[in-house]
Amino acid sequence: ETAVFQTPNYHVTQVGNEVSFNCKQTLGHDTMYWYKQDSKKLLKIMFSYNNKQLIVNETVPRRFSPQSSDKAHLNLRIKSVEPEDSAVYLCASSYGQGGAEQFFGPGTRLTVL
Amino acid sequence: GDSVTQTEGLVTLTEGLPVMLNCTYQTIYSNPFLFWYVQHLNESPRLLLKSFTDNKRTEHQGFHATLHKSSSSFHLQKSSAQLSDSALYYCAPHSGYNKLTFGKGTVLLVSP
Repeated sequence: ETAVFQTPNYHVTQVGNEVSFNCKQTLGHDTMYWYKQDSKKLLKIMFSYNNKQLIVNETVPRRFSPQSSDKAHLNLRIKSVEPEDSAVYLCASSYGQGGAEQFFGPGTRLTVL
Repeated sequence: GDSVTQTEGLVTLTEGLPVMLNCTYQTIYSNPFLFWYVQHLNESPRLLLKSFTDNKRTEHQGFHATLHKSSSSFHLQKSSAQLSDSALYYCAPHSGYNKLTFGKGTVLLVSP
C-alpha cells in the first residue's frame, strides 16, 4: 500500500516529558512536512524537508526538532512538552514543492496533562 | 508572509442548494498556486482542487473555482450541495516561501 503512515495514533503524556512521532511515506515523494492542527482546527506548517534537507522552519519553540534519516522518513521530537502542545500532528508528503499536491497521513493526537 | 481570509466559521445549507465558500489571499508572490483542501470528520485533509492560471475555471468532484489575480480571490462553488459535502474546507496559497499557508477553514454543514 502506498500512503503516508504515522505512529503512534494517540499519545497521552505529562508536562515535561519527551515524545517522538514517526512518519513514513511510500509514495516515492521527495518532500515531507510536519503540520500542527490545534483544537480550533487551525492548520499550520512547522517544518518541511526536501531530499533530507530542511527547507522550511517556521517559528516554533526550540523544544520541537525534526529528524530526517532519508527522504521517506521524517520524525518529530518534542523535548519537555507543555499543555499548549496538545494537538494533532499531521505529516504530509509531496513530489516537489510549489504546486504539488500534498498527501497527509492520519495524524498523531497528542494530549498533554 | 502570505495570508488568507475565508468565509468565517460555519456555513449551513439545505441539500440541493448552491455552495459558495469565499477565499481571498494576500501574497507578494506574483504567481501563486491556490489550493482548496477538504477534511471530512475523523479524516485528514486531502486536495480538492488547485489552480495557477488566472481567470481559468478549475473543476473537480462537482466543485469549481476560478483564480482571479486582480481581486486575489479563489472562491469555491458547487451548484447543488450534497449531504456528503459536509466537511471542513481550507483555502491555501502556495507562494515563493516554499509552503502552504492555510486559512482558518470553513465548516460546511449540509442538512436534508
